[in-house]
Amino acid sequence: GENVEQHPSTLSVQEGDSAVIKCTYSDSASNYFPWYKQELGKRPQLIIDIRSNVGEKKDQRIAVTLNKTAKHFSLHITETQPEDSAVYFCAASNRNYGQNFVFGPGTRLSVLP
Amino acid sequence: DTAVSQTPKYLVTQMGNDKSIKCEQNLGHDTMYWYKQDSKKFLKIMFSYNNKELIINETVPNRFSPKSPDKAHLNLHINSLELGDSAVYFCASSQGSGRANEQFFGPGTRLTVL
Repeated sequence: GENVEQHPSTLSVQEGDSAVIKCTYSDSASNYFPWYKQELGKRPQLIIDIRSNVGEKKDQRIAVTLNKTAKHFSLHITETQPEDSAVYFCAASNRNYGQNFVFGPGTRLSVLP
Repeated sequence: DTAVSQTPKYLVTQMGNDKSIKCEQNLGHDTMYWYKQDSKKFLKIMFSYNNKELIINETVPNRFSPKSPDKAHLNLHINSLELGDSAVYFCASSQGSGRANEQFFGPGTRLTVL
């Protein structure tokens, strides 16, 4: 089955700096890679996603890159703000798994003012 | 106006009891899920239903039984609760089963077993 690893587990950056979170997946059939943000005590919410036919996607300060050959994808947040502080989860999905998500273990991002 | 709702938000109960968590979505989605998030924040899928039919059942104890009376509802019943069942349980929904799409999560139910 699919296995998703995520690094780092914790990340602290100064406000205004960039943050990068990396994920690797094991199943080459995976074709959809969402990123979720979970604030303390709240539900996970999608912030950006990418499909396997695209190498990069950007939405304002957030971008995701995908390397299918190496089976890894990354989340990039630029000009970080204190409200970016949260736990971020990557996930991978493929039809062999009923298109369900396998989540990474999460990265706790702290943006220091 | 809530898209995915769950009740109750908090559930505190004794070991050995039976409890249920309810989930409803008003997005018109045809696939619903239950996830367990443990104390280390790890999110793991438990069940997935498409059009009221079970399409995935991870290796969870058979004390957990999902029930989907219709496309908009997916309830979770837990028998003989154990200390290790303490966690936050999230319901989610998405559109389509042939292609992965965004999953919308409910607010979560924090279950504490004493």
